[in-house]
Parts: sequence; structure tokens; C-alpha cells
Amino acid sequence: DAKTTQPNSMESNEEEPVHLPCNHSTISGTDYIHWYRQLPSQGPEYVIHGLTSNVNNRMASLAIAEDRKSSTLILHRATLRDAAVYYCILRDAVRGADGLTFGKGTHLIIQP
Amino acid sequence: SQTIHQWPATLVQPVGSPLSLECTVEGTSNPNLYWYRQAAGRGLQLLFYSVGIGQISSEVPQNLSASRPQDRQFILSSKKLLLSDSGFYLCAWNNPPGYEQYFGPGTRLTVT
Repeated sequence: DAKTTQPNSMESNEEEPVHLPCNHSTISGTDYIHWYRQLPSQGPEYVIHGLTSNVNNRMASLAIAEDRKSSTLILHRATLRDAAVYYCILRDAVRGADGLTFGKGTHLIIQP
Repeated sequence: SQTIHQWPATLVQPVGSPLSLECTVEGTSNPNLYWYRQAAGRGLQLLFYSVGIGQISSEVPQNLSASRPQDRQFILSSKKLLLSDSGFYLCAWNNPPGYEQYFGPGTRLTVT
């Protein structure tokens, strides 16, 4: 799977929007962009995924650049419970059952 | 709804002892199953995945093995534990053609 680059950490205030960036300049045409998050001492939790168009769900929004070389996970109104490590992962749709390749992710700190 | 169980939650084992971690999924059939490990201060690493009963693919050579004796049961084993086997072990599942993976609560293993 192609590599992603994320900032090591970000800090935001409670009840404010958070924009988590991810660069993936070597993305291929069949790579889906996935986001997971991991709260302390828990397993990762699926957040959202997309291919080309922006996506929204109850947890977050995913904005994908037109050239697909970068994307941004948007938490519209951060709460203390959103403090976690956020992983941006590319997954090739043609690779079938292969597992996910996790990088170091972005450690999101939420200040009250 | 689907649920995933892992046990035990925590385990302390001496070097050289055997290991058996169990993962079961409820509420779905024919899932893909995965074992990941997260060593202290490191990212999540895929260890094994399975697309069906008796079908195991290994991602990295190591001191561990996996088995899938039933459709919704995935077992991680070792004959002799090493200190380097310590970590947070996570089981996950997904149902193709869906892409998102769902993780269990994990087992924290300490080898002494």
C-alpha cells in the first residue's frame, strides 16, 4: 500500500472544529483513503473512508483533494472523547482481504 | 448487530511458556479475520489474516501461529513465548465487499 504522511500531534480546543491532514502523494487509482482512530488502551475504531468524492457520516467528514494526493479528516465539533491517535491509511481495493498497514498516526489532544 | 470478543483481557506469562489467545465474532458469517500486534511505543502490525476456515496467511515470520477451526473463531498461539512477544494483541473482522474493519477490545500480554 502507498505511504501516508501525517503530523505527529495536533492540539485543539473543545467544541471547535478539527482538521487532520494526510498527504499521500503516491496514491494509486484503486487506493481507498481510510481513517481509523485509537483511544487509549482500546482497539482502533473505523471512522470513515472515501475514494474521490468528499464523504460525510455521523462521526466526521472526509475532504479529498482533487488530485487525491492529500485528504483532510474533519471533526466538526471536537469533544474530550475525540482525544485519540488518528490513522490515515490507503488500501488498494484490488488486494481483497489483506489487512491494514498502520503508520504512526496523529495524536490529537483536546483542551477543555 | 455484530460483536467481537477477545480473551483474556490481560495476561502475564513467563518466557518459554505456551500461549493461546482466542477471538470470536458474533452476528455475521464468513468474515475475514485478522490478528494485529501493537508493541510498546510502536504502531499496529498485521500478523495473520484468514478468509475462511483453515485458511491462514502470515504477514511476518515470527514465533507465533494462527488457526481458524470454525467460521467465527480465530486463535493465536505460541509454543514458547519470547520477551519480544509482549504487546497489545488485537483481533479484527470485516465482511467483504465492505472495506471497514472492526476491532476487538484486545489482550495485553506481558512476557516476564
